[in-house]
Amino acid sequence: TQLLEQSPQFLSIQEGENLTVYCNSSSVFSSLQWYRQEPGEGPVLLVTVVTGGEVKKLKRLTFQFGDARKDSSLHITAAQPGDTGLYLCAGGLTGAGSYQLTFGKGTKLSVIP
Amino acid sequence: NAGVTQTPKFRVLKTGQSMTLLCAQDMNHEYMYWYRQDPGMGLRLIHYSVGEGTTAKGEVPDGYNVSRLKKQNFLLGLESAAPSQTSVYFCASTPGGARQPQHFGDGTRLSIL
Repeated sequence: TQLLEQSPQFLSIQEGENLTVYCNSSSVFSSLQWYRQEPGEGPVLLVTVVTGGEVKKLKRLTFQFGDARKDSSLHITAAQPGDTGLYLCAGGLTGAGSYQLTFGKGTKLSVIP
Repeated sequence: NAGVTQTPKFRVLKTGQSMTLLCAQDMNHEYMYWYRQDPGMGLRLIHYSVGEGTTAKGEVPDGYNVSRLKKQNFLLGLESAAPSQTSVYFCASTPGGARQPQHFGDGTRLSIL
């Protein structure tokens, strides 16, 4: 069972365009993390959101956690070629699963110069 | 700063052979994880450890064994490799539970012929 659905799976855009990536679930998460992974490397954490409705900004990247803590979005403004990579969302469960993260399948972003 | 180091980086095995993947972290983290990443599947948790001497099963544990004899090391073993275990394997560590960032190694690319 895939707890976290990411969309779109692939995204190819021109430099300077805006984009949004979505991460949705029917489960409630205690926290939601976003990672970026480049070819040949491990994922690197971008942000952690823990409060429903929380919005965090990291330069041109804006992250939002849904009010009910079941979904999240990542918005990139004026995409640059350096934003190219695989974006992964990961949710932290409560209770017995609180040691683990559940990862989405990822969104592969290509920004064309 | 080494962070999380995985060895080997690449390996080719024949069906039925055994091998051990080593993960070492120098951040004094309590929790360590082994994931596999397959195209279009995201990261799937194989086994994890919440401290020295402890191990637990993740989402896809069959065919794998793990050991955490020392806090800084987490070993992943394949007793009898199968082609279905061809994948990229990532190790990660974190100081706490699911709200803490996971620090990943650069992966081991394993092919089973």
